[in-house]
Amino acid sequence: EDKVVQSPLSLVVHEGDTVTLNCSYEVTNFRSLLWYKQEKKAPTFLFMLTSSGIEKKSGRLSSILDKKELFSILNITATQTGDSAVYLCAALKTSYDKVIFGPGTSLSVIP
Amino acid sequence: DTAVSQTPKYLVTQMGNDKSIKCEQNLGHDTMYWYKQDSKKFLKIMFSYNNKELIINETVPNRFSPKSPDKAHLNLHINSLELGDSAVYFCASSPGGVRGTQYFGPGTRLTVL
Repeated sequence: EDKVVQSPLSLVVHEGDTVTLNCSYEVTNFRSLLWYKQEKKAPTFLFMLTSSGIEKKSGRLSSILDKKELFSILNITATQTGDSAVYLCAALKTSYDKVIFGPGTSLSVIP
Repeated sequence: DTAVSQTPKYLVTQMGNDKSIKCEQNLGHDTMYWYKQDSKKFLKIMFSYNNKELIINETVPNRFSPKSPDKAHLNLHINSLELGDSAVYFCASSPGGVRGTQYFGPGTRLTVL
């Protein structure tokens, strides 16, 4: 059965800290790994990673995929209170664009 | 303009009732989805349509019936609502193919009393 696991499930850090969120997957017909940020409402897209070893960056956020070890990490440097959210990792399959979501990591950044 | 919109945003109803949630996307995407997010925040796919055709139908009670009148709309009808149906339901769309990033609607919070 397809599975996406995230760790930790929750995390509390102080502003300015650097955090690393982990995602591992066991998915047949894997195509890409997606990261989303969910605050109070709908998930918003952060990254799509298809190739192994190529880091994607957006401001203080970066992510990388290891297709051999079947995991991805999301790094956030110099965290701010606005980074507080649930970060969702998801595996996109080749078959019918089906997406399997992980349980999410709830990040709280305190001043 | 909202890319993916859902109505209503909130829905409170009694057990046993039948209700519908509507979803529309103006992104020109071929694929649309319904997800259920429970109280533990786990997002689980329910259905997916590609160009009005059902392509993913997860293990969902047959009280849930999606309908896609055209590729910009995917509605969800729920019969005989149960307490366990209380959740946030998200509609999403994607261009499909290798560009599979999904865009989510704002969600509909369904509460069954």
